[in-house]
Amino acid sequence: NAGVTQTPKFQVLKTGQSMTLQCAQDMNHEYMSWYRQDPGMGLRLIHYSVGAGITDQGEVPNGYNVSRSTTEDFPLRLLSAAPSQTSVYFCASKRGNTGELFFGEGSRLTVL
Amino acid sequence: EDQVTQSPEALRLQEGESSSLNCSYTVSGLRGLFWYRQDPGKGPEFLFTLYSAGEEKEKERLKATLTKKESFLHITAPKPEDSATYLCAVPLRAAGNKLTFGGGTRVLVKP
Repeated sequence: NAGVTQTPKFQVLKTGQSMTLQCAQDMNHEYMSWYRQDPGMGLRLIHYSVGAGITDQGEVPNGYNVSRSTTEDFPLRLLSAAPSQTSVYFCASKRGNTGELFFGEGSRLTVL
Repeated sequence: EDQVTQSPEALRLQEGESSSLNCSYTVSGLRGLFWYRQDPGKGPEFLFTLYSAGEEKEKERLKATLTKKESFLHITAPKPEDSATYLCAVPLRAAGNKLTFGGGTRVLVKP
């Protein structure tokens, strides 16, 4: 069972570069989300989606874009990377209004 | 403002030494409190959902309880494999689909 798959697992960027973190789930979950996790800050919600074609902002959306063209995929785009975006990024999905989020393994991003 | 606070930040236990972790919240009209476990280098893994004061859930050596202001995660006779970071989360009052997480408690169980 694949669950939630994130790629890449590690990435190093230079300031100003752009990139996309990929997230795919095979559980037919309507809800998908992106979190970032920083030491001392816990998990913070970046963007989320309650279904294909619907996205909304979380706590820390600035500098990130998302789109949801299919139920399975929810990519996170960094348009112009900044050192403050150095973090571990987690994609998570869930079914309906439950609180049971299924997380991916994470993507560790370093911006130099 | 909805807030979730966990204490302590870190906990070092000897194998077999029972202890409790605290998660306090300020969300009114709570619509569930969720506990997760996170191993180093991994994503969080769901453990429990609690919905009402007085409710308890158990899984192996873990028991979660809920009051009107806080939740406790009790670890009974822990083993080294219980070492992990434990996170609690609640839905935001204004948007039930947004979960806000506490900072977590890092638990280290030494043999």
